[in-house]
Amino acid sequence: AQSVTQPDIHITVSEGASLELRCNYSYGATPYLFWYVQSPGQGLQLLLKYFSGDTLVQGIKGFEAEFKRSQSSFNLRKPSVHWSDAAEYFCAVGEGFNKFYFGSGTKLNVKP
Amino acid sequence: NAGVTQTPKFRILKIGQSMTLQCTQDMNHNYMYWYRQDPGMGLKLIYYSVGAGITDKGEVPNGYNVSRSTTEDFPLRLELAAPSQTSVYFCASSSSTSGRYNEQFFGPGTRLTVL
Repeated sequence: AQSVTQPDIHITVSEGASLELRCNYSYGATPYLFWYVQSPGQGLQLLLKYFSGDTLVQGIKGFEAEFKRSQSSFNLRKPSVHWSDAAEYFCAVGEGFNKFYFGSGTKLNVKP
Repeated sequence: NAGVTQTPKFRILKIGQSMTLQCTQDMNHNYMYWYRQDPGMGLKLIYYSVGAGITDKGEVPNGYNVSRSTTEDFPLRLELAAPSQTSVYFCASSSSTSGRYNEQFFGPGTRLTVL
């Protein structure tokens, strides 16, 4: 069965510092990968997605992610974190035509 | 466009009661989904629908029922509420017309507590 692992439950970074959130997946075929962000009390918003092609994908709000097939990873990065980035981040893998499997999430705290 | 709307925002149920969580989307999306999010967990798919009149089970369908009589609406029914159904419920929708994997748009969620 497909699965997504986000090994970091909580991460705290200082404002202006770089960020990397880890995501590992288990999937038999070519994965379709996504990162979503959830602000408190809100639904999920898509940050970026990977279907094929260039393994470095750019998303909204200055985020990027790199697909590494050899490591089964799809880590999310941002060079300089802003206080407004504090939220929970979810990695997901798509199966079939529209079924998603989500990781358990990483809560990001940003120190001033 | 309002996007995906869900009602109610909050609800407390007693064990054994029933209720319907409402979900409506105004984007003419053919795909709709119900997820639950338990504390410290990711989202789990309960049911999904690929169009009016067509629904299918996801990972955790037990204790729930759905129907899809229109493109816009996808209500989720809890018949005999149990404490294990305490969770935050998210409805989402997506379109299949412009590609194989499309962004899912999420509603703001319904926080349900069963006591």
